Amino acid sequence: DTEVTQTPKHLVMGMTNKKSLKCEQHMGHRAMYWYKQKAKKPPELMFVYSYEKLSINESVPSRFSPECPNSSLLNLHLHALQPEDSALYLCASSQGWGSGNTIYFGEGSWLTVV
Amino acid sequence: GESVGLHLPTLSVQEGDNSIINCAYSNSASDYFIWYKQESGKGPQFIIDIRSNMDKRQGQRVTVLLNKTVKHLSLQIAATQPGDSAVYFCAEKEANTGNQFYFGTGTSLTVIP
Repeated sequence: DTEVTQTPKHLVMGMTNKKSLKCEQHMGHRAMYWYKQKAKKPPELMFVYSYEKLSINESVPSRFSPECPNSSLLNLHLHALQPEDSALYLCASSQGWGSGNTIYFGEGSWLTVV
Repeated sequence: GESVGLHLPTLSVQEGDNSIINCAYSNSASDYFIWYKQESGKGPQFIIDIRSNMDKRQGQRVTVLLNKTVKHLSLQIAATQPGDSAVYFCAEKEANTGNQFYFGTGTSLTVIP
């Protein structure tokens, strides 16, 4: 079982809604990630936090806003999304941001934008 | 991102046979590789990893082979079981770029009982 916990498991939201995805890990990891995965496609990196600071933003639209309140928590705030943003959103963590740290994934949050 | 592709998008094997899933990568600077298994409706699960200073690594029923000369990675699953049915992704990381991984397109493995 994964030690990266994501909530909610499923989320349906309208295009004018504001919602958040939450992620928590208790492995003492200092790097946390958001990935987006469309059906039958590989995960695509969105954001990386290292030591609670945003290290990587892969040119993600501003309607996705990440937040790392502390080393164990990672949020993804959603606002004014489009139907094409419907996907599986995966949170992951690794011990550090340094080279060669294994990334462990949560089970994901299934997002449907209507 | 870099191109990390797989030769076969789907693979069907008989239960008990060995499975081989291949992955080609294009970045010769990649120094760390991970194989993930993703079952339907779940997140990717770590299977095995290998660093570029190795050419083979074995786990429980799985072996990863790395051929840096031709930039090829393979995952071998011994005595494949129905529970092995899933999509398998290889992921690569370029040296000196932090921990930024790029995923291949995935291979769907179906085990026939």
